[in-house]
Amino acid sequence: QVQLVQSGAEVKKPGASVTVSCKASGYRFTDYYIHWVRQAPGQGPEWMGLFNPSGGKPMFAPNFEGRIILTSDMSTGTFYMEVRSLRSDDTATYYCARPGVAARLAPFDYWGQGTLVTVSA
Amino acid sequence: EIVLTQSPGTLSVSPGEKITLSCRASTSVRSDFLAWYQQRPGQAPRLLIYATSTRATGIPDRFSGSGSGTDFTLTISRLEPEDFAVYYCQQYAGAPRTFGQGTKVDIK
Repeated sequence: QVQLVQSGAEVKKPGASVTVSCKASGYRFTDYYIHWVRQAPGQGPEWMGLFNPSGGKPMFAPNFEGRIILTSDMSTGTFYMEVRSLRSDDTATYYCARPGVAARLAPFDYWGQGTLVTVSA
Repeated sequence: EIVLTQSPGTLSVSPGEKITLSCRASTSVRSDFLAWYQQRPGQAPRLLIYATSTRATGIPDRFSGSGSGTDFTLTISRLEPEDFAVYYCQQYAGAPRTFGQGTKVDIK
């Protein structure tokens, strides 16, 4: 079955960077986009960007363009998101998510368990 | 960017009741690209409905979706105890994907 397992919680200082990993299993990694979504405490989800495992160009929400980097290790099916220049308002739970179909315009059937990133001086 | 506004913010209801949640878009959304999610405390969102009215795998038929253009609704016909949660609409018609701010359904 499809599983997305994320790395553990992180505490970072303002200005630092953080990398969240998302290890996929149960499907062919190149077939499905991986999306990144974050959710600040008490807020709705916020889409950050998508990674195209078949080598296409990633897409980013305007709020995150230039501040996040999306990469992968296709040998292990692990996807990474690096967020740079952290601010206190980046404190949130970060999720990777995968559509149920191999299409760019598709909802998110599968989600990782979430990674809490706390930014505090 | 398409802004999704959900109402009400909170709905206090009793088990067994029927409820309707609203999601209004700032500009028209193709009905193929509107979804609803349920989120329980401490969990990731769970896909309920996609393409406005299609239930995701394993979702009971007490959940239904409808709408078009800028106005969409999620209806839960008979609330079960496990349905008390926060519900989000999402449009995935393009970038950026956007979510509503959520409707919390709690026990009266």
